[in-house]
Amino acid sequence: EAAVTQSPRNKVAVTGGKVTLSCNQTNNHNNMYWYRQDTGHGLRLIHYSYGAGSTEKGDIPDGYKASRPSQENFSLILELATPSQTSVYFCASGDDHEQYFGPGTRLTVL
Amino acid sequence: AQSVTQPDARVTVSEGASLQLRCKYSYSGTPYLFWYVQYPRQGLQLLLKYYSGDPVVQGVNGFEAEFSKSNSSFHLRKASVHWSDSAVYFCVLSLSSGSWQLIFGSGTQLTVMP
Repeated sequence: EAAVTQSPRNKVAVTGGKVTLSCNQTNNHNNMYWYRQDTGHGLRLIHYSYGAGSTEKGDIPDGYKASRPSQENFSLILELATPSQTSVYFCASGDDHEQYFGPGTRLTVL
Repeated sequence: AQSVTQPDARVTVSEGASLQLRCKYSYSGTPYLFWYVQYPRQGLQLLLKYYSGDPVVQGVNGFEAEFSKSNSSFHLRKASVHWSDSAVYFCVLSLSSGSWQLIFGSGTQLTVMP
């Protein structure tokens, strides 16, 4: 049983539209993370959270918001999607140096 | 600033051959180092980790890595590769304080030829 799940797994959005990516973890970890992966780069941190109600900016937060309504759930929100946000997005959870990753969401913004 | 460099974007080896994937890091604090593997269209899976102690650490599926503080390196090795090892391998640095943020290398695409 997967401990970190993401939905949707694939998403096509239009420029200017709102997109919400969801992540759920059953590890009971306090910390959760959102990354994006682009060709030629490793994963880059967008937002993270220390627990319910908290969100922090990562290295590339511009154009993204995050929401952590509960210990288990962490969402990434693109209020006005742009083609440059076409990417694969990974969620992770972890309480120390080791993080556990979800399967990823492939987002295409047309 | 902290960083991770994987100098080889692509590596091709024959099945049964030995393998070394290179990784160099830059960090003034105590490094916590990982190798993750990503199979096509999947998430990242942990291969092995180094926190302290013996500089050679063993991982899953016959992989091992050697930490060198003097060289700021954490190279991944395998004695005999299998076609199923074809994947992208990421060297990752975790910072020793704060949010436990991970710093990723750009990855090495490994192709194992039958």
